[in-house]
Amino acid sequence: DVVMTQSPLSLPATLGQPASISCRSSQSLVHSDGNTYLNWYQQRPGQSPRLLFYKVSKRDSGVPDRFSASGSGTDFTLKISRMEAEDVAIYYCMQGTRWPLTFGGGTRVEIK
Amino acid sequence: EVQLVQSGPEVKKPGSTVKISCKVSGYTLTDHYMHWVQQAPGKGLEWMGLVDPADGETIYAEKFRGRVTTNADTSIDTVYMSLNSLTSEDTAVYYCAVGRGWELFKWGQGSLVTVSS
Repeated sequence: DVVMTQSPLSLPATLGQPASISCRSSQSLVHSDGNTYLNWYQQRPGQSPRLLFYKVSKRDSGVPDRFSASGSGTDFTLKISRMEAEDVAIYYCMQGTRWPLTFGGGTRVEIK
Repeated sequence: EVQLVQSGPEVKKPGSTVKISCKVSGYTLTDHYMHWVQQAPGKGLEWMGLVDPADGETIYAEKFRGRVTTNADTSIDTVYMSLNSLTSEDTAVYYCAVGRGWELFKWGQGSLVTVSS
């Protein structure tokens, strides 16, 4: 199975300041069809996960533009340009390139 | 608007079976795969498997294969997931999530299953 490793596990972020989460995969996530199926999800306290980005950097509908995502191959990043209170959540990366689909362990983002 | 509404919480005895439903609206059930994801208390997300409602084809993660079954009833726009031989380690919230490509773009509210004697 593809192992997804996120860092840090916990991220105290300052309101109005940037925050960044790393996700690394144990194998390249480039699919034979040329796409890279790396997604990011946000799970706020007590809520279901919400899709933020798919195929590395494609923003899902309604996701604020202070969020951005990038990366390639095995290294991926989710960035928040200016931390807001509503961004307190656990963020997960997930790969859909190889069976089985696998998630990272999550990064808890909280207010410093 | 795409909506997934799951069945309510369940308390089960060890060794028994739980069946969870996921009723969809706002899209055609057969247009997208339905995935199931487990989240144990205070833990992360684990993919369990999927069903293609168009033809009933399923794929399961190795960890759950043999204990999990998922199927769709297209007449009532509902997908089901059954998990048998329950143990305390199966205590978790179970999510259905509809897939578009290989992203899970809409999730149900989750169904809490508690396994306790």
